[in-house]
Amino acid sequence: EAGVAQSPRYKIIEKRQSVAFWCNPISGHATLYWYQQILGQGPKLLIQFQNNGVVDDSQLPKDRFSAERLKGVDSTLKIQPAKLEDSAVYLCASTTVANTGELFFGEGSRLTVL
Amino acid sequence: GENVEQHPSTLSVQEGDSAVIKCTYSDSASNYFPWYKQELGKRPQLIIDIRSNVGEKKDQRIAVTLNKTAKHFSLHITETQPEDSAVYFCAANTGGFKTIFGAGTRLFVKA
Repeated sequence: EAGVAQSPRYKIIEKRQSVAFWCNPISGHATLYWYQQILGQGPKLLIQFQNNGVVDDSQLPKDRFSAERLKGVDSTLKIQPAKLEDSAVYLCASTTVANTGELFFGEGSRLTVL
Repeated sequence: GENVEQHPSTLSVQEGDSAVIKCTYSDSASNYFPWYKQELGKRPQLIIDIRSNVGEKKDQRIAVTLNKTAKHFSLHITETQPEDSAVYFCAANTGGFKTIFGAGTRLFVKA
């Protein structure tokens, strides 16, 4: 079974530039999450999708972050414009609708904002 | 919303000793408590989990206990080995598949 795929693995940009991250969840997983993990901290939930609908985006800084999950499969997380404090690893995770609750994470996309 | 606190932030033990990591949660509706292990530069991976209708669960050298009344749960690793060195995260899930993580515990196992 293929795991959660994310790209790019690494991205370096200057502040005020934009960046986009892509995630392809495990086939059949209806629920998809984006987490932000700042160095030395636990993953912080940014947004949760159920199929192509947003379940929770209360922690998403909507003035600069946006995410979509068209067709209920792949998802894209965008940051525009980026700030220095956005430097982090962006983790995508997926899970089935009626599973144990276990999250399957991708390798993450490491963003450095200079 | 749910808040998960985790202690200690760093833990150093001698190989063969036991390690205990403790977490507390705030939302009494939380009913699923997973533990994830994250090795340096790798993705978090589930190592054990417990549901609110169970007080204790064990899997070889790893065990988790849950006290619903006190709203805290703990991870116990016995006979620690160098390969147990990693960051461990506790988490709580309110049943809506919304998983909130603790800040993590960096475990060092000295050979």
